[in-house]
Amino acid sequence: AQSVTQLGSHVSVSEGALVLLRCNYSSSVPPYLFWYVQYPNQGLQLLLKYTSAATLVKGINGFEAEFKKSETSFHLTKPSAHMSDAAEYFCAVSDRNTDKLIFGTGTRLQVFP
Amino acid sequence: NAGVTQTPKFRILKIGQSMTLQCAQDMNHNYMYWYRQDPGMGLKLIYYSVGAGITDKGEVPNGYNVSRSTTEDFPLRLELAAPSQTSVYFCASSRSEYGYTFGSGTRLTVV
Repeated sequence: AQSVTQLGSHVSVSEGALVLLRCNYSSSVPPYLFWYVQYPNQGLQLLLKYTSAATLVKGINGFEAEFKKSETSFHLTKPSAHMSDAAEYFCAVSDRNTDKLIFGTGTRLQVFP
Repeated sequence: NAGVTQTPKFRILKIGQSMTLQCAQDMNHNYMYWYRQDPGMGLKLIYYSVGAGITDKGEVPNGYNVSRSTTEDFPLRLELAAPSQTSVYFCASSRSEYGYTFGSGTRLTVV
C-alpha cells in the first residue's frame, strides 16, 4: 500500500532562513507526488506536483521539491522564509491507477521575525 | 469559475441527527472525493467517485453514505451523527495527475 511519512509535525524557522519540510514515500509503482498548503480555516492549495517529468519541481510562492528515487524522498524547500509562509503543509502520494491521494499527517510551519 | 463549492461552512448537529454535506464542481472533473481532517491526523479518505453512478469506499467510510447522480454533484450523507464524526470535511475533485482542487471545507460539530 502507498503511504507518505512527514518527519516533524512542527517546524520553526526565522524569517529569511531556509525552509526544509521532509517527506518520504512508500510506493510499489512510480508515484505521483504532491505538496499542498493549508492556511488557517481554509482548504488545501496545490503547491507543486511530481508526475515523472523533471525530478526538480518548482511550485508557487518560491517553493520547490526534488524527487529522489534512491531515497524515496520528496522534500519541500524554500531558500528564504517569509512570514506569509506560516501554514500547514501536506505531502501526498497518488496511485496512478486509482488516482486516490494518500496524505501525510502534515507539518505546521512557524516563521518568526 | 467557482471550482469546488461546499455547503454549509459550519454546522452543529445533535447526536442521532442526520444531515447532508453538499459538494459541487464546475470543472467537469470525473473524479470526486470526500476527506475528513482531524488534528494531527492529516486527511483521511471517506468515499470517492470515478464518475457519475460509480462510488467506492475509502479508508474511513463507516457512518457515511454518498451518491453521484451527476458529474457535478457528490453529496455526503451522515445518517446517525455521533461525536466521533466531529471534524472538518473537505470535498475535492480531480482530473488524474493534474492534482486535486479542494473546497473550503465544512466544519461539523456533533454534540
